[in-house]
Amino acid sequence: GQQVMQIPQYQHVQEGEDFTTYCNSSTTLSNIQWYKQRPGGHPVFLIQLVKSGEVKKQKRLTFQFGEAKKNSSLHITATQTTDVGTYFCAGLSGTASKLTFGTGTRLQVTL
Amino acid sequence: EPEVTQTPSHQVTQMGQEVILRCVPISNHLYFYWYRQILGQKVEFLVSFYNNEISEKSEIFDDQFSVERPDGSNFTLKIRSTKLEDSAMYFCASIFLLDGELAKNIQYFGAGTRLSVL
Repeated sequence: GQQVMQIPQYQHVQEGEDFTTYCNSSTTLSNIQWYKQRPGGHPVFLIQLVKSGEVKKQKRLTFQFGEAKKNSSLHITATQTTDVGTYFCAGLSGTASKLTFGTGTRLQVTL
Repeated sequence: EPEVTQTPSHQVTQMGQEVILRCVPISNHLYFYWYRQILGQKVEFLVSFYNNEISEKSEIFDDQFSVERPDGSNFTLKIRSTKLEDSAMYFCASIFLLDGELAKNIQYFGAGTRLSVL
């Protein structure tokens, strides 16, 4: 079945440093979504990318969808302690109704 | 802002007991989901439900699991005979079907029910 992997599994940065997580799918995706989950919380939708090569920005967060629609990345510029959490990508493929979540990247930010 | 509501927030049960997890999706949403997340792991799809029937289910969703929309607002997940390995966070999600295209829809997640099987 479809697998979605993320690297790294864990990243610890100093506040102000940049952070990137990479997402790779074993199959072509219709779209990709990114979620943030705070410790003890539930996944919160961040953004959806649909088009090949699409780039979207939300303040310090930049999201990219690969040309082949099999990979994606999330880049955070100048991290803050409020960015702490686990970032999941999740893909929809074909007409499937389910989201296949990636393995997640846990981000820790310290002062 | 409308939200997906799940009850209870934490359920403790003995192995072999039946549990029912409840969800109230956002009122005008039409597609419903259950996911689970074992502690420290990724979120896993269990089942999707549309038009009063299961649309898709994963390998995890075996005969011990069932879903129901008993009335116009609730969406339930039943586990008939719980096992230790069923201990996890269970998330309900729902979407509004935009133009019939699932790929354009955002799933809204509830806060989850933590199920602890002893």
